[in-house]
Amino acid sequence: NAGVTQTPKFQVLKTGQSMTLQCAQDMNHEYMSWYRQDPGMGLRLIHYSVGAGITDQGEVPNGYNVSRSTTEDFPLRLLSAAPSQTSVYFCASSYQGQGGATQYFGPGTRLTVL
Amino acid sequence: AQSVTQLDSHVSVSEGTPVLLRCNYSSSYSPSLFWYVQHPNKGLQLLLKYTSAATLVKGINGFEAEFKKSETSFHLTKPSAHMSDAAEYFCVVSDRASLSGNTPLVFGKGTRLSVIA
Repeated sequence: NAGVTQTPKFQVLKTGQSMTLQCAQDMNHEYMSWYRQDPGMGLRLIHYSVGAGITDQGEVPNGYNVSRSTTEDFPLRLLSAAPSQTSVYFCASSYQGQGGATQYFGPGTRLTVL
Repeated sequence: AQSVTQLDSHVSVSEGTPVLLRCNYSSSYSPSLFWYVQHPNKGLQLLLKYTSAATLVKGINGFEAEFKKSETSFHLTKPSAHMSDAAEYFCVVSDRASLSGNTPLVFGKGTRLSVIA
């Protein structure tokens, strides 16, 4: 199993540009989520999904969109990039959303917005 | 509502000495608690988790943590630090029985562990 994969690994955008961060998992997990990691802030939840066709907002959803058309994929879209979105983005998946389930993390995407 | 406080942003130990990383939590329901480790420029890896079974939890690489409900703590320990333990450590809480049925993780801000030769 490849586990959780993310592309790209690095990305530089200009303010106002849009892009999609890709996330895929091959473990047949129902629950997937996106986090951003900023220095001294830990990881903060952006959006999550409990299954295909179902998404919900996390702690910091503004400026981001998600969709879940398949169990495997959970892309994160930046609609109009801003410097405040410079961060490292992690995708994670687990077999259930209930507390206690181990989350499996991808390697991250390092995004810089100029 | 859930929250996690990691009491030290940076801990420095000598190789071969004990490690203690402190974590306090707040949870409205019965919590699940985790410790994740992140090595430089890497993703996060689960070290150990507590989900209501034994209060002393053993994890990978010799780490363990004890759930103390009376103190709302879940401190991470290791008897003898190794150079490869140098990393960022995150304490994480999730409510196991919230009414919403969906209980995303709440992360602490992290503790950076340095190991001195």
